[in-house]
Amino acid sequence: GDSVTQMEGPVTLSEEACLTINCTYTATGYPSLFWYVQYPGEGLQLLLKATKADDKGSNKGFEATYRKETTSFHLEKGSVQVSDSAVYFCALSPTDSWGKFQFGAGTQVVVTP
Amino acid sequence: DTAVSQTPKYLVTQMGNDKSIKCEQNLGHDTMYWYKQDSKKFLKIMFSYNNKELIINETVPNRFSPKSPDKAHLNLHINSLELGDSAVYFCASSQGGTPQQFFGPGTRLTVL
Repeated sequence: GDSVTQMEGPVTLSEEACLTINCTYTATGYPSLFWYVQYPGEGLQLLLKATKADDKGSNKGFEATYRKETTSFHLEKGSVQVSDSAVYFCALSPTDSWGKFQFGAGTQVVVTP
Repeated sequence: DTAVSQTPKYLVTQMGNDKSIKCEQNLGHDTMYWYKQDSKKFLKIMFSYNNKELIINETVPNRFSPKSPDKAHLNLHINSLELGDSAVYFCASSQGGTPQQFFGPGTRLTVL
């Protein structure tokens, strides 16, 4: 079945450091890929998305590129802020069952001043 | 304006009780979902309704029963609550044919 694997956390880094969270997926066809962010005590918010191969999603300084050849959708940010501290979820929506999201386990990111 | 809202935000109850969580969306979407997030933050889909019809029903105990009175509402009723039901429950919605889902703020259920 479809699945998403993302790197385990917590990831702790200093303000202005570079962040990369790895995400790989297993799916048939061409799923849509997402990164959601969950700030402490809140629900999930869409951070960015990509719906086809080679698409790049970007938002708030974060980027991720849909790589079909490596089945990856790694999240990157060049300079993190304390306010980026959150749990980040990689997710896919299958092509044949678009409602049946598969989420990764989540990666907690802690940014220190 | 809140797009997807849930009530209550917190719910503390005793084992064996029956409780309901309500969800409403004002986005005009035709599909709604319930997810369970465990203590390790793992998210798993439980149910999905499209135009009031159940379309996704994962392996969930039949103590959990979703009810969709109309397209804008999807409630979750839980009978005979158990300790293992303690989790955060998220409601979400989407428009049919588009993959993006919008999430509510969550309901933290604690069973004592």
